[in-house]
Amino acid sequence: GNSVTQMEGPVTLSEEAFLTINCTYTATGYPSLFWYVQYPGEGLQLLLKATKADDKGSNKGFEATYRKETTSFHLEKGSVQVSDSAVYFCALSKTGGFKTIFGAGTRLFVKA
Amino acid sequence: EAGVTQFPSHSVIEKGQTVTLRCDPISGHDNLYWYRRVMGKEIKFLLHFVKESKQDESGMPNNRFLAERTGGTYSTLKVQPAELEDSGVYFCASSRAETQYFGPGTRLLVL
Repeated sequence: GNSVTQMEGPVTLSEEAFLTINCTYTATGYPSLFWYVQYPGEGLQLLLKATKADDKGSNKGFEATYRKETTSFHLEKGSVQVSDSAVYFCALSKTGGFKTIFGAGTRLFVKA
Repeated sequence: EAGVTQFPSHSVIEKGQTVTLRCDPISGHDNLYWYRRVMGKEIKFLLHFVKESKQDESGMPNNRFLAERTGGTYSTLKVQPAELEDSGVYFCASSRAETQYFGPGTRLLVL
């Protein structure tokens, strides 16, 4: 079946450090891939997405590239800020479908 | 434009009681979804409405859960009777197409 695996947290970084959160997926066909973020006390927000192989999604300094050969969609940011502290979820949905499958989430703490 | 809203934000009930969660989608969004995150694990799909019809309810855990969307606007998710393992955060989302917009969630604790 379809699934998403992301690195376990928590991840603790100092401000301005480089961030990578690994995400791999298992799916038939060509799913769309997403990163969602949940800030403390808030709901899930779509951070970025990519709908086909080699697409790069980007938003707020975060980037992720859809790599079909490695079935990965790793999230990166060159310089994190304290305000980036949140839980990050990798997710996929099948093309033409609407059901979204999520990873377990990775909590990020950024220290000043 | 108002986002997806959910009520209540928190609910604490005893095992065997009934709880009803409500979701108001973004106006004009025909698609409405329920998801659940239990004990810090992954967020799991419960079901998907298109207007008032259940398009996919493959994620509903058992017949203690009943979702409705009368009139194709807001939706309710009723748990009756609640069990300890039902504790978690229940998210609602809505969409016009593929991109889903999530509400803040209802945190349910069953004691």
